Amino acid sequence: GAGVSQTPSNKVTEKGKYVELRCDPISGHTALYWYRQSLGQGPEFLIYFQGTGAADDSGLPNDRFFAVRPEGSVSTLKIQRTERGDSAVYLCASSTRENTEAFFGQGTRLTVV
Amino acid sequence: AQKVTQAQTEISVVEKEDVTLDCVYETRDTTYYLFWYKQPPSGELVFLIRRNSFDEQNEISGRYSWNFQKSTSSFNFTITASQVVDSAVYFCALRLSNNNAGNMLTFGGGTRLMVKP
Repeated sequence: GAGVSQTPSNKVTEKGKYVELRCDPISGHTALYWYRQSLGQGPEFLIYFQGTGAADDSGLPNDRFFAVRPEGSVSTLKIQRTERGDSAVYLCASSTRENTEAFFGQGTRLTVV
Repeated sequence: AQKVTQAQTEISVVEKEDVTLDCVYETRDTTYYLFWYKQPPSGELVFLIRRNSFDEQNEISGRYSWNFQKSTSSFNFTITASQVVDSAVYFCALRLSNNNAGNMLTFGGGTRLMVKP
């Protein structure tokens, strides 16, 4: 596949549960981004990886949110003790280096009931 | 902090009409990039254009054109002779161009365009 792949496409979970969202970037892309898009709004930045390290995690809303990219490729966004307000589409994007366009995946729609 | 405003939340036109989507941005930085993305019902954000803050030349690509005016901090997007397939949510976004900013985009709230046959 040539594009950014996100799994699952949909996730329904109960309040208080733990979830993991996966992002498989375009091969060779060193930069990876997570955004969150609430209904009717534009995407909001969460965290940015350059290689394996989080270069900027200033967008993570609180310490229930965490993301890793252990080998510099696939990334996992982890949400602990989910709340109904976490319901949104979580978008992942990747780029070749810092100053080129980011390519987005189709997102994971998370619903917390 | 940066801010992008898309005042039009929803626009409805009839096929073949021209339509302009407005975008106004705020930033204290003098160098930055502006973007437009299309988000069809499938959800994926599709890149349309990137404009450097130093380049105010308007751009045309087929039925799409962009008008960048630094004096009014606006980056408007016009679709000529709209088609039903243009129906989507369109986002304007801004990114700072300093190397420490990475590629983080600040998005506007989006404009939902509905083109009726």
